[in-house]
Amino acid sequence: SQKIEQNSEALNIQEGKTATLTCNYTNYSPAYLQWYRQDPGRGPVFLLLIRENEKEKRKERLKVTFDTTLKQSLFHITASQPADSATYLCALNSGYALNFGKGTSLLVTP
Amino acid sequence: EADIYQTPRYLVIGTGKKITLECSQTMGHDKMYWYQQDPGMELHLIHYSYGVNSTEKGDLSSESTVSRIRTEHFPLTLESARPSHTSQYLCASSDMGESSGGAKNIQYFGAGTRLSVL
Repeated sequence: SQKIEQNSEALNIQEGKTATLTCNYTNYSPAYLQWYRQDPGRGPVFLLLIRENEKEKRKERLKVTFDTTLKQSLFHITASQPADSATYLCALNSGYALNFGKGTSLLVTP
Repeated sequence: EADIYQTPRYLVIGTGKKITLECSQTMGHDKMYWYQQDPGMELHLIHYSYGVNSTEKGDLSSESTVSRIRTEHFPLTLESARPSHTSQYLCASSDMGESSGGAKNIQYFGAGTRLSVL
């Protein structure tokens, strides 16, 4: 089955800097890869989806890259704000459902 | 804001009780899911449904059961709760059609039910 690895350690950055989160996977490359945000005690919220034939996808301050050779996706938040503090989950399709990573906790300090 | 609702948000019960966690969505989505998530851990799929009268078990074995009698409603039941069932339960739905830009399986989650079994 697909194994998804995200930075287990929390990422602390200063407001205004760019946060970069990593998602690595094993086995097959999925047709698409998704990123979600999860706040404490809440359900995940969809942010971005990128297809296997896309190198990069942007939405406002968010950017996702997808390298099927490296089996890796990078998630960037530019001009980060304290309100961006949350856990970010990477998810890959597995036929009938999604496989989620454990997520990386991001803390943006003023 | 996703139109998917879970009740209760928090539930503390004693061992052996029967409980039902409610999940409803107003988006008309065919696919619905139940996940279990422990603190700091990934979501594990325990049940899913393709539509009315369709239910399947997910990757993580669970003693819970589900039903799908109406498109909008996907309740989860534990016949006899045990402390090992203590966890957060998340319900989600997805639109498989072209309205999601042709993309499959973008999932919309409820706020979750945090269950504690004493």
